[in-house]
Order: sequence, then structure tokens, then C-alpha cells
Amino acid sequence: QVQLQESGPGLVKPSETLSLTCAVSGYSISSGYYWGWIRQPPGKGLEWIGSIYHSGSTYYNPSLKSRVTISVDTSKNQFSLKLSSVTAADTAVYYCARHEPSKIDYWGQGTLVTVSS
Amino acid sequence: QSALTQPPSASGSPGQSVTISCTGTSSDVGGYNYVSWYQQHPGKAPKLMIYEVSKRPSGVPDRFSGSKSGNTASLTVSGLQAEDEADYYCSSYAGSSLCVFGTGTKVTVL
Repeated sequence: QVQLQESGPGLVKPSETLSLTCAVSGYSISSGYYWGWIRQPPGKGLEWIGSIYHSGSTYYNPSLKSRVTISVDTSKNQFSLKLSSVTAADTAVYYCARHEPSKIDYWGQGTLVTVSS
Repeated sequence: QSALTQPPSASGSPGQSVTISCTGTSSDVGGYNYVSWYQQHPGKAPKLMIYEVSKRPSGVPDRFSGSKSGNTASLTVSGLQAEDEADYYCSSYAGSSLCVFGTGTKVTVL
């Protein structure tokens, strides 16, 4: 059974960089699929942030592209998100997920990140 | 890359059917048969209900069905049950390995 678990600080100061990691178990990241990040501001809808293909190629939401970096560490079977210059608008539950172009089949439980001084 | 448009809310009595629309453009919904639907209960991660427009993953009841016409996809929940009350989101492949979500629809079982 594939499982994903997000981890990282729950509170980030404005203008700083948000950093999250997603640990994957039950499947080797290097074997295939896209591995992505999705966020959901409190009371609002889902927003795709970006993904990394198992080969290492990255794809970002154009609206966030200038601030987002997604990387993978195959030795630890995990991938990471960095979002720079955060503001209160970046406060959200952040999910990591496994997906293909046609579907997102496995999700992490999500982690709330609050941007506040 | 704009969010796909869904109605904010939909409702129906137990046993009835409800249909949710998801409108995009020829660059996403209309351009690919890669529309998926997700159910999200409060405080939980979304769950895949439909993929590739009309396919159901194992374990999803056949009360859930999907379709697409042009730039609009639809999710129909037949025989509404209390546990179907949730938020529903569509998603579409948008080319170049990009993904876009819908604005979300809250389904209420009356």
C-alpha cells in the first residue's frame, strides 16, 4: 500500500521560505509516476502547486512558478517543496500526492502551514 | 491557467440524483480525456472517485458516474446517500504536464 506523509514547520514568517518534505512508503519514487504538491487555503478550493516526474523533470503552476522549487531525494524515497517569499495568502493545508496525467491516486493526510509573524 | 468552473453548491434528497458540472476550455477539459473527480469530507484528504472522464477506481460505488461534452465535464451521483454529503472537485490535465482543479462544489443531502 502506497503511503505519503508530509512533514515540516507549521508556522512560517512572512517573506521567508516554506519547506516541506513528503516521505513515500510502499513504492519507489524512481520507479515511475509524478509526485506533486497541492494546497488548500482554509475554507477554499484545491490548487495544484507543481510536480516532479520520477526522472527529475519538474512542472509548476505558472502562477507560482517564480517562487516554487520541487526536488526529489531517491535515496530517502522522498520529495520536497520550497516556496519562497511567503505571505499570509500562502497559509493553507499542503498535500503531497502521487499522480499520472489522468488521476491523483494517492494523497498524504495534509499539513497545515500558517504564515504569520 | 484558470480554475475550472463548478457550481458552488448542489443538493438532493436521499435516493435522488445530483449532477455537478465542470467547465473549462479546449486547452484542458475539452482537449483531453483526462478529467478526474475527487470527494473531500471535512478535515480529510480528497479521494479519487472518477478518472479519465468516466472510469471508477476499485471500491467506488457505481452510483458515481462521469461524462464529458465539449469543454464541460459532469459528475452524477445517483441514489444519494447521507455519506455522499461532501465537497467535490474536478481536475483536468492541461497539457505540458500541468494540472488544474475546479472551484469545488458542496453537495448537501437534504
